[in-house]
Amino acid sequence: EVQLVESGGGLVQPGGSLRLSCAASGFTFSSYDMHWVRQATGKGLEWVSAIGTAGDTYYPGSVKGRFTISRENAKNSLYLQMNSLRAGDTAVYYCAKEDTQGGGMDVWGQGTTVTVSS
Amino acid sequence: SYELTQPPSVSVSPGQTARITCSGDALPKQYAYWYQQKPGQAPVLVIYKDSERPSGIPERFSGSSSGTTVTLTISGVQAEDEADYYCQSADSSGTYRVFGTGTKVTVL
Repeated sequence: EVQLVESGGGLVQPGGSLRLSCAASGFTFSSYDMHWVRQATGKGLEWVSAIGTAGDTYYPGSVKGRFTISRENAKNSLYLQMNSLRAGDTAVYYCAKEDTQGGGMDVWGQGTTVTVSS
Repeated sequence: SYELTQPPSVSVSPGQTARITCSGDALPKQYAYWYQQKPGQAPVLVIYKDSERPSGIPERFSGSSSGTTVTLTISGVQAEDEADYYCQSADSSGTYRVFGTGTKVTVL
């Protein structure tokens, strides 16, 4: 069964850091681009970052310079290092696998909640 | 920054057809994808590459594209189709992904 399981969420103070992890199973992890997507309570989906199979990384302006996506293929794991966290970063964070055709996301984890508050 | 615009809500009676539009300047160049999200659950891909349906997705879900607008059509809507729907694509360079504003489908 293809599966993604996120972990590492929690409560952090503004300006703090947090590292999210995503454990992949059931597919050849190293062969797929991977993404992080977040959703604030009652809001829409927001793409947060992507990493290619060669380790190339991409970020929207809202997190560029503060968030770092990485992968460890030997451990079938995806990571998101989040620094200088703000209240606006509070959300459920999902990891997602890019589909075989490229462009969409065909497998999603259940999400992990990040709360930035003092 | 690049944006994809969807109507906030669509209401439809059971058995009728729901159509959800998504507009964006780069859609003639980039494929669109559609996701269904029910409360408390992760999104599920229902359409990829504008009009292709993943295995396991009911045939009543279909997608189409025309110029700067893509459309998700749900034919013969069922109560279980009540959910939020998001389109997703990329900017003109294909580098940065973006999600639409989301549409809540209500089955009357």
